[in-house]
Amino acid sequence: KAGVTQTPRYLIKTRGQQVTLSCSPISGHRSVSWYQQTPGQGLQFLFEYFSETQRNKGNFPGRFSGRQFSNSRSEMNVSTLELGDSALYLCASSLGSPEAFFGQGTRLTVV
Amino acid sequence: DQQVKQNSPSLSVQEGRISILNCDYTNSMFDYFLWYKKYPAEGPTFLISISSIKDKNEDGRFTVFLNKSAKHLSLHIVPSQPGDSAVYFCAAETTSGTYKYIFGTGTRLKVLA
Repeated sequence: KAGVTQTPRYLIKTRGQQVTLSCSPISGHRSVSWYQQTPGQGLQFLFEYFSETQRNKGNFPGRFSGRQFSNSRSEMNVSTLELGDSALYLCASSLGSPEAFFGQGTRLTVV
Repeated sequence: DQQVKQNSPSLSVQEGRISILNCDYTNSMFDYFLWYKKYPAEGPTFLISISSIKDKNEDGRFTVFLNKSAKHLSLHIVPSQPGDSAVYFCAAETTSGTYKYIFGTGTRLKVLA
């Protein structure tokens, strides 16, 4: 069974640009969540999608948005990138139990 | 406001000894607590969880203890092995039908051979 797949693995963008990250959950998992990991901050919850609907949102500015498609694949978009957006972005999928399964993440560097 | 806290950023333990990782939380509404392990350049991997109605859950070398009155949980690894060296994250969630995790900042465990 394939795990959670995130693309791309690494990304370098310039301040002011926008970026789209992609996540393919484990087959059958309908819940997809996104997290931002920065040094010293741990993993910060961004948002969660279930059946194409955003169920939960963390405390991030509106520049951070996401969506989920009918096949449960999810995308996350960050507009007007800032240096502070440099981080590891992790996607997790869940079947309906508390345990979530994480992808390897996308390392975003904003220069 | 850090609802889940891991106050020890790092821990070193000799191989074969016990590793104890601690986690404190402030929200009494959390239903589930989980521990994840993370190696560099990889996503977190689920390790073990415990429901708020229990005080102990064991899985092989890993045991999680929950003290609700103290709002404290701990992960015990016995015996510790060099392959256990990783960053360990404590997470909490409220199972109101959604899966939003509140993570601690992590503890880096180093098991010395």
